Amino acid sequence: SQQGEEDPQALSIQEGENATMNCSYKTSINNLQWYRQNSGRGLVHLILIRSNEREKHSGRLRVTLDTSKKSSSLLITASRAADTASYFCATDQGAGSYQLTFGKGTKLSVIP
Amino acid sequence: DAGITQSPRHKVTETGTPVTLRCHQTENHRYMYWYRQDPGHGLRLIHYSYGVKDTDKGEVSDGYSVSRSKTEDFLLTLESATSSQTSVYFCAIMSSGGGDTQYFGPGTRLTVL
Repeated sequence: SQQGEEDPQALSIQEGENATMNCSYKTSINNLQWYRQNSGRGLVHLILIRSNEREKHSGRLRVTLDTSKKSSSLLITASRAADTASYFCATDQGAGSYQLTFGKGTKLSVIP
Repeated sequence: DAGITQSPRHKVTETGTPVTLRCHQTENHRYMYWYRQDPGHGLRLIHYSYGVKDTDKGEVSDGYSVSRSKTEDFLLTLESATSSQTSVYFCAIMSSGGGDTQYFGPGTRLTVL
């Protein structure tokens, strides 16, 4: 069963706006990751945040993690048409686990 | 792309036929994974390997088997393909030096008629 669930399922914004996607999960984690998938391609790793971290930045990406609420958010600032893709959160099964469980994804459309 | 290739990239087959998908990596990673991706389900883990001849089941392993006789190759076999196995299959590796980050191959689109 899915550990992570993204919200919303689909998001459409204008170029230059910010995009926020949320992920909720059910059990304790060691870390949470976000991946991007362009249409017809494999997933690409964006950012990893560990359970003892609250916020992490990478370029135009900002990820937050609230372990008390079992949720994470991915913010993409100043979006570009090239950001159009599906975004997935993935959680591990705890320390020592080498498996990831992926959510169903948020499909982001950035309109030029 | 972490040196991951998948073959074939596209395949159409008939129900009941055996199918083998190949994942090849060039960077000697220990962990390799097979996922399937279907609309409405996201990615689901089929099988994974943590070394040569060491494999384990994932969430949706029924109807699939795997083999890993060399570090660089991880094979996924559908012994008798069914229409429910029509999907896009992704191979991934876990980077030894990158925490728990996984790197994905380009995918194989399999259609079972």
